Amino acid sequence: QKEVEQNSGPLSVPEGAIASLNCTYSDRGSQSFFWYRQYSGKSPELIMFIYSNGDKEDGRFTAQLNKASQYVSLLIRDSQPSDSATYLCAVSLNAGNMLTFGGGTRLMVKP
Amino acid sequence: ETGVTQTPRHLVMGMTNKKSLKCEQHLGHNAMYWYKQSAKKPLELMFVYNFKEQTENNSVPSRFSPECPNSSHLFLHLHTLQPEDSALYLCASSRRAGEVTDTQYFGPGTRLTVL
Repeated sequence: QKEVEQNSGPLSVPEGAIASLNCTYSDRGSQSFFWYRQYSGKSPELIMFIYSNGDKEDGRFTAQLNKASQYVSLLIRDSQPSDSATYLCAVSLNAGNMLTFGGGTRLMVKP
Repeated sequence: ETGVTQTPRHLVMGMTNKKSLKCEQHLGHNAMYWYKQSAKKPLELMFVYNFKEQTENNSVPSRFSPECPNSSHLFLHLHTLQPEDSALYLCASSRRAGEVTDTQYFGPGTRLTVL
């Protein structure tokens, strides 16, 4: 059983729409949750982190965490073609902050 | 330079070669990490150093040997690699491994090809 799961996609949305990316994790003790964006051939770039249940907003991005259901999501409002990338969900499964990454969801924003 | 830098950016080596990857962070962090990213696979944590001490070895084969002389520099020494070791090797750093609020920042990576 994978510890952090993401739909590999591709998720295709039109420009200006809301893109919704989801991630589930297996360990109920997980404490920290991160979203990274990775363009093809580049390294992961941190977008957001969230530690508490609920929503956290940063510009066009909103991270949502539901520990009871063991999922974390990322919403991208007003999607732009430049948002086309692979989005990686990472979860800290223990207090040692060793991150476990999901396989990533490829997002395509079409003009 | 700022952030996390890695050299070389690309490396091609034969299975009998010995080479080293270098990572340097300019963020004042105390923890450094090596990750491997293969095609179609999730990022895999290889090693963690916290205040120069290795705190995690994720069952990595001995042909990969890390070295952390200080909190700003991290090396990955490679010898007798296999073609399946071809991947993107990413270095990351963070303020202090072990804290819930700690956040990792990645370098640009070294694209390694083993012939």
